[in-house]
Amino acid sequence: GAVVSQHPSRVICKSGTSVKIECRSLDFQATTMFWYRQFPKKSLMLMATSNEGSKATYEQGVEKDKFLINHASLTLSTLTVTSAHPEDSSFYICSALPGQQPTEAFFGQGTRLTVV
Amino acid sequence: KQEVTQIPAALSVPEGENLVLNCSFTDSAIYNLQWFRQDPGKGLTSLLLIQSSQREQTSGRLNASLDKSSGRSTLYIAASQPGDSATYLCAVSNSGYSTLTFGKGTMLLVSP
Repeated sequence: GAVVSQHPSRVICKSGTSVKIECRSLDFQATTMFWYRQFPKKSLMLMATSNEGSKATYEQGVEKDKFLINHASLTLSTLTVTSAHPEDSSFYICSALPGQQPTEAFFGQGTRLTVV
Repeated sequence: KQEVTQIPAALSVPEGENLVLNCSFTDSAIYNLQWFRQDPGKGLTSLLLIQSSQREQTSGRLNASLDKSSGRSTLYIAASQPGDSATYLCAVSNSGYSTLTFGKGTMLLVSP
């Protein structure tokens, strides 16, 4: 199956700093990537849809100035958590849709962010 | 707005039992439905994908069924093993390019 690599898998940062998370499709081109956030014992919640070469579409309630998404190429999307606060601590997961046959989304392994 | 519900929220069984996980969704106009496995602190592993035109998919000891008209899917796990212990997530897509709507998952514990 297609492989999506997400990096880093774990990160600890201080309040007020920014953290960048990368999502790469290793063996296919992804015109669309999604960023999800997962709270403990909760379902995955979509944060934003990222399309290559255009601005991301954010879900209601997600601060676009805080969660910066860049999809600069067909194989890479990044999520930057700016001015991180402890309440931003969470598990973030990306997924990518192959451009040719979008029947299945492939997921990265997730990033555990802890803000101290 | 699509909503996905999974029952039960948690399930504990002894090794060797056959078990069924349930998933229901409110909008039957789906494109496909996927079952995922998530180990603690890890990402998602796709188990089975059922297109809206299909009624079931099988992979090894796993069988997923889909009844689109009633908005239900089941994941059947045969001869459960301790290694099956994980959270199982059901997700539906309402179009090939749309996002997935997830249920909250069923946390499964298979004891030796």
